[in-house]
Amino acid sequence: AQTVTQSQPEMSVQEAETVTLSCTYDTSESDYYLFWYKQPPSRQMILVIRQEAYKQQNATENRFSVNFQKAAKSFSLKISDSQLGDAAMYFCAYRGVIQGAQKLVFGQGTRLTINP
Amino acid sequence: GAGVSQTPSNKVTEKGKYVELRCDPISGHTALYWYRQSLGQGPEFLIYFQGTGAADDSGLPNDRFFAVRPEGSVSTLKIQRTERGDSAVYLCASSRGPTRTYNEQFFGPGTRLTVL
Repeated sequence: AQTVTQSQPEMSVQEAETVTLSCTYDTSESDYYLFWYKQPPSRQMILVIRQEAYKQQNATENRFSVNFQKAAKSFSLKISDSQLGDAAMYFCAYRGVIQGAQKLVFGQGTRLTINP
Repeated sequence: GAGVSQTPSNKVTEKGKYVELRCDPISGHTALYWYRQSLGQGPEFLIYFQGTGAADDSGLPNDRFFAVRPEGSVSTLKIQRTERGDSAVYLCASSRGPTRTYNEQFFGPGTRLTVL
């Protein structure tokens, strides 16, 4: 079974600075998707960024980028120019690609605090 | 509606009672997922519907939990003889699919269930 581990329960960063959230995962599959989700106090899970495992290029979405190390099974999220609105829980998630493997497997989450 | 909706937003019940949680997916989305998020944890998969049928119910913790989607749209998660350990946020998500390619799961705001 696939597992996702986030070893940082809490992180904090000064506004406008850069922060990196860590994630490792375990799988025997060669093709899969990885995601970072943001969950503010409203509880709504919001997709931040996704990475296809077959792509070597790291995904980027505006201030958010990932460092995907497939051999090391590592998938970190970098937030540049942190803003107060970035404060939330962040979850790393895995999804397989084979038929029937549609479910997301989540890590335990990292609570990100932005200090003004 | 524009997004996934869930009702009620909050539900308080007594140990041993029966509860129903409702999810209204995005129109046209054939795939629907239920996840459970315990306090301080990441969401855990419960069940996945493709159309009217449960394609994967491997996450249901025991036979007190049951879910239906009779017309392939709205889904109801049913919990019998509730226990205090069932207290959690129950999240619903929907997506197009299923295909081998990526289909984003859009999440609802969740129902917070409290069992006293």
